[in-house]
Amino acid sequence: QVQLVESGGGVVQAGRSLRLSCAASGFTFSDHSIHWVRQTPGKRLEWVGFAPFDRSNQNYAESVKGRFTISRDNSKNTVYLQMNGLRLEDTAVYYCARVTTPRWLFDAFDLWGQGTLVVVSS
Amino acid sequence: QSALTQPPSASGSPGQSVAISCTGTSSDLGGHNYVSWYQQHPGKAPKLMIYEVSKRPSGVPDRFSGSKSGNTASLTVSGLQAEDEADYYCSSYAGSNNYVAFGGGTKLTVL
Repeated sequence: QVQLVESGGGVVQAGRSLRLSCAASGFTFSDHSIHWVRQTPGKRLEWVGFAPFDRSNQNYAESVKGRFTISRDNSKNTVYLQMNGLRLEDTAVYYCARVTTPRWLFDAFDLWGQGTLVVVSS
Repeated sequence: QSALTQPPSASGSPGQSVAISCTGTSSDLGGHNYVSWYQQHPGKAPKLMIYEVSKRPSGVPDRFSGSKSGNTASLTVSGLQAEDEADYYCSSYAGSNNYVAFGGGTKLTVL
């Protein structure tokens, strides 16, 4: 079954860390770039960053740069989102999403996980 | 890193057509054709409806169409059906700064 499954969300105090995982199955994981997108309580979608298929230069949203790190383990078909120095405004549902076209860094996202909720409390 | 601009709401009666706009800049939406549209029902993940401005993924009804002119893209839903009631988000690659921009979302109501 072609799918992405996120895990690792929960309630965490501001300033602490959390690591999310995105496990892929049913397709050639190493051929696809995987992005993280979050949805705020106000329902806005915000791009967070991505894991390039070829481990080339990554980029992150300005709002998380220097605090969040994305990595991938092709042997485990998994992408990770390490979130440090969490802030109240990081509260969101975090989705991982697959880029449609194999071996492209950017394009549309044709496969999304179910999302995992991160709540940052004071 | 700027967001794209969408109207917060749109509506139409069953059978009618509705167009949702998405406005960006020459640095993102206007600079290339990596524009996509997503449908989201409550409690569900976004679903890809249109990619590369006007292409439909397999399984998406041809009632959904996309277009772009300058810095504005549009999603048109023809022959509105009750199940089309959902939130719709546009998205664009912003090549100059290597990130992805999303619109704020449009809630489509089928009257």
